[in-house]
Amino acid sequence: AIQMTQSPSSLSASVGDRVTITCRASQGIRSDLGWYQQKPGKAPNLLIYGASTLQSGVPSRFSGSGSGTDFTLTISSLQPEDFATYYCLQDYNYPRTFGQGTKVEIK
Amino acid sequence: EVQLLESGGGLVQPGGSLRLSCAASGFTFSSYAMSWVRQAPEMGLEWVSTVSTSGATTFYADSVKGRFTISRDNSKNTLFLQMKSLRAEDTALYYCAKHRGAVTTSIDYWGQGALVTVSS
Repeated sequence: AIQMTQSPSSLSASVGDRVTITCRASQGIRSDLGWYQQKPGKAPNLLIYGASTLQSGVPSRFSGSGSGTDFTLTISSLQPEDFATYYCLQDYNYPRTFGQGTKVEIK
Repeated sequence: EVQLLESGGGLVQPGGSLRLSCAASGFTFSSYAMSWVRQAPEMGLEWVSTVSTSGATTFYADSVKGRFTISRDNSKNTLFLQMKSLRAEDTALYYCAKHRGAVTTSIDYWGQGALVTVSS
């Protein structure tokens, strides 16, 4: 199974900060990666698919990049509603595997 | 609007069985692959199983292979997860999830989850 290593596991940031989360795959997965946001007590929400395509309705401050083994989710200017846990998920093959998550907290 | 409503969760003893259902609406159910993803308390997300549009192709995590069976009824817009030989480590919130298309595509919508607790 492909291992997805996400970093950092948590971070503290202020409103307006630029935030970057990375995900590394144990083997090449082309651009077959998605990013999800999960708020406490809620279901995950798709932000980015295909490594860089913004899901409809998602604010443009979210962006994704990367291909092969290294991927990045960037929030250009952190907003109060962005404090949540973020997960990457590889769509390259089965079994599907998630990163362990990055919790974004208020500084 | 895509809606996914899980049901069938509850408390079950180790070794017991449970069947989860997911009623789908707001999209052409038969045109999309579907999955189950679970989340143990205070833990991350774990993919469990995926079924193709027709139901002919299925995938399972090693942790549930041979114990869980995913299926779908396209005439009733419903996804199922039959769980047998349940273990304490199967305790989790089980999410029903819709794919963007075939099994090769990403998950784009999630239900609110059904809680399964395995305990004596």
